[in-house]
Amino acid sequence: DTGVSQDPRHKITKRGQNVTFRCDPISEHNRLYWYRQTLGQGPEFLTYFQNEAQLEKSRLLSDRFSAERPKGSFSTLEIQRTEQGDSAMYLCASITTGTGVEQYFGPGTRLTVT
Amino acid sequence: TQLLEQSPQFLSIQEGENLTVYCNSSSVFSSLQWYRQEPGEGPVLLVTVVTGGEVKKLKRLTFQFGDARKDSSLHITAAQPGDTGLYLCAGDNGGSQGNLIFGKGTKLSVKP
Repeated sequence: DTGVSQDPRHKITKRGQNVTFRCDPISEHNRLYWYRQTLGQGPEFLTYFQNEAQLEKSRLLSDRFSAERPKGSFSTLEIQRTEQGDSAMYLCASITTGTGVEQYFGPGTRLTVT
Repeated sequence: TQLLEQSPQFLSIQEGENLTVYCNSSSVFSSLQWYRQEPGEGPVLLVTVVTGGEVKKLKRLTFQFGDARKDSSLHITAAQPGDTGLYLCAGDNGGSQGNLIFGKGTKLSVKP
C-alpha cells in the first residue's frame, strides 16, 4: 500500500495529557497538510509543510500544538495539555506540487479527550 | 473569508432514485474537488474540476463546475446502498499554500 498512512488510528487520553500523531505521506509527495475535522463539519486546515519547512499555520493551531517534518518525510503533530475541545479527527494529506491540485488523505487519527 | 455551502445537509433516499448535491460559494475557486468519506475514515478523492462549465462523469456520478467557478453540483443516477457516505466539496483558491477549503458535507443514506 503506497497511500498516506496515519498512526495511531484511535487515541483516548485524559485531559491534560500530551499526545503525538504520526503521518507518513505518499513517498514522492513533497507537500504535507494537517487538517482537523469535528463532528458534523468538513476538515479545517491546520498547517502545512513544503519538504521539511513549515510554511503556514492556521489560527486554529494554538500554542499547545506543534508539528514537525524532519527530513521532509513523515510528520508528527503533538498536542500538549489536551483539552476536551481537542477531540476530533486529525487528518493528514499529501501532494506533489506542480503535478496537480489533488490532495490524498490518510485514514485519520480519531482523538477523544476525556 | 471563503466559504463553501453544501446542500442539502442530509439526504435519505431509496435505492434506484436520482439525487443532486450542491456546493455554492460567493468566491471564485481555481479548482474544486469532490470527496466521499466513510465513518471513521479519511476523505477519498472522487474528482477534480478545473474549467468553468466543465462536466465530468464517473460511472453513475456526474460532476459539474459552474461557469463562474463559484459553484458545483454532483448528480447520482440510480443510487445504490454503496453510495452511502458523506460527500464533501473542497475548493482550492489558487494561492501558494494550496490548502483546501471544505464545505460541511452532505450525508447521504441510500436504503435498499
